[in-house]
Amino acid sequence: GAVVSQHPSRVICKSGTSVKIECRSLDFQATTMFWYRQFPKQSLMLMATSNEGSKATYEQGVEKDKFLINHASLTLSTLTVTSAHPEDSSFYICSAGGLVSQETQYFGPGTRLLVL
Amino acid sequence: GQNIDQPTEMTATEGAIVQINCTYQTSGFNGLFWYQQHAGEAPTFLSYNVLDGLEEKGRFSSFLSRSKGYSYLLLKELQMKDSASYLCAVRLSPPGSARQLTFGSGTQLTVLP
Repeated sequence: GAVVSQHPSRVICKSGTSVKIECRSLDFQATTMFWYRQFPKQSLMLMATSNEGSKATYEQGVEKDKFLINHASLTLSTLTVTSAHPEDSSFYICSAGGLVSQETQYFGPGTRLLVL
Repeated sequence: GQNIDQPTEMTATEGAIVQINCTYQTSGFNGLFWYQQHAGEAPTFLSYNVLDGLEEKGRFSSFLSRSKGYSYLLLKELQMKDSASYLCAVRLSPPGSARQLTFGSGTQLTVLP
């Protein structure tokens, strides 16, 4: 199957700083990528859909000015958590693919963010 | 809104068979996925159903009834490594559209020796 990578895998930052998470499709082009957030013992919640060359589509309740998404190329999408606060601490997962009928989305390994 | 229900936790014994149920009430339906997720890791794909019936893949099988809004994942010959969270996810819109998967809350399966 296709491979999606994320970087960094783990990050600890101080409250008020910004953190950038990268999501790359390694062996295929992805015009669309998806960003999810998962709190402990909860399921994945879709935050936004990242579209190459255009603005991201955010889910209801997700602040677009706080979670900046840039999809500048067909293999890279970035999520920047601006002015991070402790409540932003979570597991962030990106995915790509799933755009044909039987194909699943391919998930990145996730980024564990801890805001102190 | 969208509603996908799964049991929160299940426990089974090594070598046994376990069935994890998922019921859904969604505004659209374009396929149902099952994923396995170990703690701290990303989900991995297990199965996909879009038509009614049973899909078998090794020790894992998945069943779908669209009229009942119901699916189950069947795990046979359980192994300790099968201890994980199992996520049911419904694709609401046709492939290629913006809105993709909606996940259930996951079922934490513990396999005991």
